[in-house]
Amino acid sequence: DQQVKQNSPSLSVQEGRISILNCDYTNSMFDYFLWYKKYPAEGPTFLISISSIKDKNEDGRFTVFLNKSAKHLSLHIVPSQPGDSAVYFCAATRSNFGNEKLTFGTGTRLTIIP
Amino acid sequence: ETGVTQSPTHLIKTRGQQVTLRCSSQSGHNTVSWYQQALGQGPQFIFQYYREEENGRGNFPPRFSGLQFPNYSSELNVNALELDDSALYLCASTLTGWPGELFFGEGSRLTVL
Repeated sequence: DQQVKQNSPSLSVQEGRISILNCDYTNSMFDYFLWYKKYPAEGPTFLISISSIKDKNEDGRFTVFLNKSAKHLSLHIVPSQPGDSAVYFCAATRSNFGNEKLTFGTGTRLTIIP
Repeated sequence: ETGVTQSPTHLIKTRGQQVTLRCSSQSGHNTVSWYQQALGQGPQFIFQYYREEENGRGNFPPRFSGLQFPNYSSELNVNALELDDSALYLCASTLTGWPGELFFGEGSRLTVL
């Protein structure tokens, strides 16, 4: 049962344009969402997060949007840079669960074309 | 400030053997989680340790076990290895109390032949 889904395994975007990565979830108990970025031979690194009490969170070039009614979130990167080429994982959790268990999607490989 | 370190980085075992993977948490972090990432998949939660006690477990059989030590470092033990246990095993640490981000190590890549 895939509770967090990233339906696009890969995405290619021209440098300088906007990259939009999408994520859907099925568990309505999730109330906190995170995006992680992973380079080859490295562990995932935290990028940005959003609580379910918000619908948008911005950090520099990265913005995450949350649509609770649609159980959908998206990560916008603008402008995209070659260093953004990586695998991006969406993750979700229940903030009152008592532990920091994250449920991850399968990832989207983003390639920025110079 | 040292990050999360894992050892070994790569190892090969045969079916039925046992393996121990080690993790040193980031300085000041008291909670350690382990995740399994199979090829083409996202990381899957195995379990978490806080104050040397298991504090939550994912859908993994009992042959996956762990320990946390007083210095917050941790071990993941897998007994009776199966071919499907081949994966990248990721350790992550954090300060307990949510919300918060997890800090991941580079992982230990296990191949079971």
